[in-house]
This record gives sequence, C-alpha cells and structure tokens, in this order.
Amino acid sequence: AQSVSQHNHHVILSEAASLELGCNYSYGGTVNLFWYVQYPGQHLQLLLKYFSGDPLVKGIKGFEAEFIKSKFSFNLRKPSVQWSDTAEYFCAVNAHSSASKIIFGSGTRLSIRP
Amino acid sequence: EPEVTQTPSHQVTQMGQEVILRCVPISNHLYFYWYRQILGQKVEFLVSFYNNEISEKSEIFDDQFSVERPDGSNFTLKIRSTKLEDSAMYFCASRPRSGTSYNEQFFGPGTRLTVL
Repeated sequence: AQSVSQHNHHVILSEAASLELGCNYSYGGTVNLFWYVQYPGQHLQLLLKYFSGDPLVKGIKGFEAEFIKSKFSFNLRKPSVQWSDTAEYFCAVNAHSSASKIIFGSGTRLSIRP
Repeated sequence: EPEVTQTPSHQVTQMGQEVILRCVPISNHLYFYWYRQILGQKVEFLVSFYNNEISEKSEIFDDQFSVERPDGSNFTLKIRSTKLEDSAMYFCASRPRSGTSYNEQFFGPGTRLTVL
C-alpha cells in the first residue's frame, strides 16, 4: 500500500537555524512528490514539487527538496529559517502521470523561536 | 491566477442533518477531488471524479457521501446525515488534463464543517 512517513512530529528551531524535515514514501512505481505548507488557520499551499528530471527541486520561500530514489526519500531543507516559517509541513506522493489521489504524510509541526 | 474556490468557509450543522459543500474548480480542469482533514490529523483522500463519474473513492466515502457536478462550474460534496466524526476541514482540488501542471492538484481554501 502507498504510504508517506514523516518522522519528525514537532521540530523546534531558533531563527537562522538550518532545517531538514524527513520524508520517506512507499510506492511501487514512478511517483510525483510534493511538499505542502499549512500556516496556522490557513489552507494548504504548495511549497515545491518533483515530477521528473533534476532531483534537487527548488520551491518558494527559499525551500528546496532532494529526491533520492534509492532511499525513497524526499527531504525538505532550508538553510536559514525565519519566524514566519512556523507552520505545519506535509509531504505527499501520488502516482506519476495519472489522476490518482495524493497520499499525505502525517505532517511535521515546525515552531521557530524568535 | 485562477484559483479553486469553496463555499461556505465554515458550516455548522446539527448531527443528522444534510450538508452540501460547494467547490468551483479552475475552469479548464477536468479532474476533481475531495479531501478532508480532521483537526490535528493528516489530510485524507475521499473521492476523485472525472467525466461525470467517480473514478476512485476511499473507505471513508461511504453511502452517506455523494458528489455531483450539477453544472459546468460547480462540484459538490453532500453528506446525507452528518455525524459528529464528520467534523473536519474539507478541501476540494482540481487538476488539468494536460499542460505543464498536468501532475499537480490545485487545492481550495477549505470548508470547516462543525457537527454539533
């Protein structure tokens, strides 16, 4: 069965610290990978996506993620976080080149200390 | 930039009542989806819809749920007899048939459903 694992439930960092949020997926085929962010009280926003090509993907607000196929991973990184990055982050996957459902991870709550 | 819109933003209802959540997908999109997020939990897939029929549904999407595209613009989710556990944020999403965003689903802002 398809699944997404986010190992960090809650991450607390100080401003300017570097961030890496882990994401591993289980799926027996070619996938699309996504990171979504949900700011407090707001809806889902797409941070970045990987469909094919360069495994290092750059998104909005200085975020990037690297797809490592051999590890079934798609970790999210940011070199220097800001207080405004406080939010819930969801890794997600669906089957490539199809209209299939998106499977979301359980989310990582990121709290940034000012 | 075109967006998926949803109404209402917040719906409060009594247990056992019917509710209809409305979505207006992006105009040239052909695949439509409903997801839900119970407070504090992850986003879960409910149903996908293409060519005026359900293409996939989850085990959550039981006989109490139905979807409809009543006209060329709206996509609705109906819950016939709401239960307390239906309280959640419901997200609509749509996806184009082709183009550079072919693999991407665009999410609406959500409707928060509260069942009392």
